[in-house]
Amino acid sequence: NAGVTQTPKFQVLKTGQSMTLQCAQDMNHNSMYWYRQDPGMGLRLIYYSASEGTTDKGEVPNGYNVSRLNKREFSLRLESAAPSQTSVYFCASRRQERNTEAFFGQGTRLTVV
Amino acid sequence: GESVGLHLPTLSVQEGDNSIINCAYSNSASDYFIWYKQESGKGPQFIIDIRSNMDKRQGQRVTVLLNKTVKHLSLQIAATQPGDSAVYFCAENWGRNTPLVFGKGTRLSVIA
Repeated sequence: NAGVTQTPKFQVLKTGQSMTLQCAQDMNHNSMYWYRQDPGMGLRLIYYSASEGTTDKGEVPNGYNVSRLNKREFSLRLESAAPSQTSVYFCASRRQERNTEAFFGQGTRLTVV
Repeated sequence: GESVGLHLPTLSVQEGDNSIINCAYSNSASDYFIWYKQESGKGPQFIIDIRSNMDKRQGQRVTVLLNKTVKHLSLQIAATQPGDSAVYFCAENWGRNTPLVFGKGTRLSVIA
């Protein structure tokens, strides 16, 4: 059982380049999330999808877009990468929106130069 | 993975001692809380959860205490081991269709 799988694990981008971070879960979870983690800042929510077909902004959505492709997959796109987007990105999923734990992927370490 | 721990509060504990990690949560309406453990280079892993209708919940070597009056959550780890060294996060949730909100984390360092 793979759980939550993120690709790629590492990426270096030049300022202005675009890329898509991929996330897939095999637990039949309804809700999926993208967080970013910076030193001393904990985990901050970028976007989430409470169910297939819906997406909502989190705390730090600027500079990002998301697509809930189907129930399994939730991608995060950087259209024009900036150095401020250098971070570790985590995808997570939950069975339902209330009173359940979230399962996390292993993270994508992104550096924008 | 080490860079995400910079500037975090750090708790240093002798191996075999008990550890207490504290968390002040933000929303008095929060009704569900989770503790996560994050080891270097890995994603957060679930440790234990508690609902707001409880004050205490025990797991294997871990206990979570909830004080709703002062919006405080704590994680107690019994007989701390080197493998417990990690960053620990509390997370809260309120209402339907709202995501988990995480605290900034505490680094636990176990001295052998």
